[in-house]
Amino acid sequence: EPEVTQTPSHQVTQMGQEVILRCVPISNHLYFYWYRQILGQKVEFLVSFYNNEISEKSEIFDDQFSVERPDGSNFTLKIRSTKLEDSAMYFCASSVSRIFGVEAFFGQGTRLTVV
Amino acid sequence: GQQLNQSPQSMFIQEGEDVSMNCTSSSIFNTWLWYKQDPGEGPVLLIALYKAGELTSNGRLTAQFGITRKDSFLNISASIPSDVGIYFCAGQTNSGYALNFGKGTSLLVTP
Repeated sequence: EPEVTQTPSHQVTQMGQEVILRCVPISNHLYFYWYRQILGQKVEFLVSFYNNEISEKSEIFDDQFSVERPDGSNFTLKIRSTKLEDSAMYFCASSVSRIFGVEAFFGQGTRLTVV
Repeated sequence: GQQLNQSPQSMFIQEGEDVSMNCTSSSIFNTWLWYKQDPGEGPVLLIALYKAGELTSNGRLTAQFGITRKDSFLNISASIPSDVGIYFCAGQTNSGYALNFGKGTSLLVTP
């Protein structure tokens, strides 16, 4: 069964460092998303990406964050200068469409720990 | 994002019991989704609902999209130990791309 894959599964970084989280969405999906989940809390939307541009972003997704689809298969989230409060589980998701078929399929997540 | 109120926060039940949890919102949603999350894993989609009043089943799971479009419930019948996990509701409006998640219902099932 097709699935969203994320690498790495766990990333430890020093405060102020840049990190890139990588995702391979399901191949026939057109909409891509990043969500994050701080330990013990709900899943929060960061950004959606369609047709090679950001279609929606939340207040969390400030200038420190960027997304890119560098080739036909990968979708990345970059955090330029990590802060302690960026420590969370980051989930990539993809869906066929925004309305019907909006069901987003999530990856296993990358646990980011900023020290 | 819109606030979703999910209840109960946690449930501790015996195997074989039925379970019900719900989500309410002050905003209208056009889509309701229910996900299950196991520890350290990503959310896994259980059921998607697209029409007000829609009742959909997936095995022992049944979910309904409220008539007002501001609420949804999920029922699990004859619970088993592998039902343990956190269940999240998520809603999407017609104008946005984001899924707005509830805070989750933690389910524990004892044999």
